[in-house]
Amino acid sequence: ETGVTQSPTHLIKTRGQQVTLRCSSQSGHNTVSWYQQALGQGPQFIFQYYREEENGRGNFPPRFSGLQFPNYSSELNVNALELDDSALYLCASSLYGTMVGELFFGEGSRLTVL
Amino acid sequence: GENVEQHPSTLSVQEGDSAVIKCTYSDSASNYFPWYKQELGKRPQLIIDIRSNVGEKKDQRIAVTLNKTAKHFSLHITETQPEDSAVYFCAGYSGGGADGLTFGKGTHLIIQP
Repeated sequence: ETGVTQSPTHLIKTRGQQVTLRCSSQSGHNTVSWYQQALGQGPQFIFQYYREEENGRGNFPPRFSGLQFPNYSSELNVNALELDDSALYLCASSLYGTMVGELFFGEGSRLTVL
Repeated sequence: GENVEQHPSTLSVQEGDSAVIKCTYSDSASNYFPWYKQELGKRPQLIIDIRSNVGEKKDQRIAVTLNKTAKHFSLHITETQPEDSAVYFCAGYSGGGADGLTFGKGTHLIIQP
């Protein structure tokens, strides 16, 4: 059974650029959620995808968008990057229908915006 | 929406002693409260969770208690060991299946030898 994998692990962008982060969910899981973790803070919910549609969203602007593919993998896209977008982006997979807390996180993608 | 407060932000205990981390939540509809452990540079990992119909849950050296009336829950670690050193996050969930967890800001637990 494979766990949640994310890529890239680290990347550096400049303000105004766009970034795409990728996530492969754990085998058997059909729901993917994304969290942003700023340095020294707890993770903040961005959004969740199930059946290739966004079905839950936290307090993040529209320039944060995502996709889920038929194999349940997912992408997080961030447009018009700002300095405050620098953070660790965590992907988590779960099996829809179970309590949302049973999340299995990937190791994250650390984004630095200069 | 839900708001979760966690304290202390840093906790230093002697090896073998107990550690207690406390969290409060704002949404009385919250019904699920997990605790995650995150080691430096690693992913958060679920260590224990509790649902609103239970007041206490134990798993070996770890226990969680929930007081729904006061809207607070606590993590208890007994007989602490060096490998318990990490950042611990509490979280609450009040959605209907399509919302995320609301996390506290974390407690850095330091086990002194």
